[in-house]
Parts: sequence; C-alpha cells; structure tokens
Amino acid sequence: QQQVKQSPQSLIVQKGGIPIINCAYENTAFDYFPWYQQFPGKGPALLIAIRPDVSEKKEGRFTISFNKSAKQFSLHIMDSQPGDSATYFCAASNGGSQGNLIFGKGTKLSVKP
Amino acid sequence: DSGVTQTPKHLITATGQRVTLRCSPRSGDLSVYWYQQSLDQGLQFLIQYYNGEERAKGNILERFSAQQFPDLHSELNLSSLELGDSALYFCASSVGNTNNEQFFGPGTRLTVL
Repeated sequence: QQQVKQSPQSLIVQKGGIPIINCAYENTAFDYFPWYQQFPGKGPALLIAIRPDVSEKKEGRFTISFNKSAKQFSLHIMDSQPGDSATYFCAASNGGSQGNLIFGKGTKLSVKP
Repeated sequence: DSGVTQTPKHLITATGQRVTLRCSPRSGDLSVYWYQQSLDQGLQFLIQYYNGEERAKGNILERFSAQQFPDLHSELNLSSLELGDSALYFCASSVGNTNNEQFFGPGTRLTVL
C-alpha cells in the first residue's frame, strides 16, 4: 500500500531523444508527487513536482504526466542531453498525515552523444 | 547547492562503534528528515523532526536515534554499528510539517568495517 513502483530500472537514449520514466502507486491518500535527480556522489535534487488536481506540469524540458484514475505518473525529458545522465527517483507523500517521502527504486538514465 | 549542510562527508568506523551525523537545514526550514540510501533498499525514510519535536518515524532501527536542537540543526546517532549499516545517510529539510518541497543535503557516506 505504501510502495511506489518505478520503471524501467535503466534507460539508454540518444541525445535529443525523449526518455520516459513511469511510476505507479496504490495509496489513494498520496497527494504530492515529486521527481528527484541524483548525480553520483551528490544528494537528490528536486526537479519537478505535481499534485493530483492537475494532469500535467511542465518546467523547462521536464514534464510530469499524472493519471489519477490509473494511479500512475511519469516523467518526460524533452530534447535530452548528455548532462541529463543521472539517476531519477519518483516519490509520493501523504501530506494529510505526515510529510515523509516514499521513493521509487530509481531509474539510471544514460544519454549518448 | 540546496542550502542543507551535512557533516562529515565520509565516515569510516568499526563494527560495534557509535557515530553521530550532523545536519543543518536551509535557513527558515523547520522540518528535518533523515533518509538512508543503500543499493538494495533504495532511499528509505528514517525519522522526521519539526521545530524540535519528533513528528514521524519510518524504518528506523532501535539502535538509531535522532534529535533536533533549538537552533534547528539535527543529529542522527547510530550505535552498535553493523556491517549492514554501511550506506549513504541524507538529511532533507522543508519549511512546514507536511507535504512541502524537501531539499536534500550532500549526504554522509558511512562505511562500517
């Protein structure tokens, strides 16, 4: 019930491609869904986040699509660059009871030049 | 730079020992969260403090404890260390108690030999 399932585990795309990372959850009480980007040796950095009252949010080249009925959300990276090569984590939280994040297992993205 | 600081960056110790990890939140943030990141378990929530009080507990072992001081910095104490405690430990901070953007520090890499 508290899990967030993330796929794929790893992803390789060519520069300019559009990698898509998917996440699914079970707990309908989740109401905040952020994505984090982590480079080796660094802490996770907040990339973009969405709440269930909207179906899509864009910030620069990053877009979250949210499907409340399917309990799924995904991250799209437009015009991907080698500098986007990192591990991406989706997460969810239930702000009504507590603010801690439940993380997916992560997706290692490699963007080839 | 997220504005969250953690010390030390690296820590190497022996089984059975006790260590203290320190975290200073971003200026103005009242909540501090501790997370453990390991290869097999991913990012796991340990404990949250808000304005000096414990607010939520996750998968934190009884050998681990934490506190948040009046100046809002936090310490995570790990005792009777085992090989399996080797991991990255991250602190994150947010303005409020629930459902707010969390900003992660650079982490402390703990190695137990």
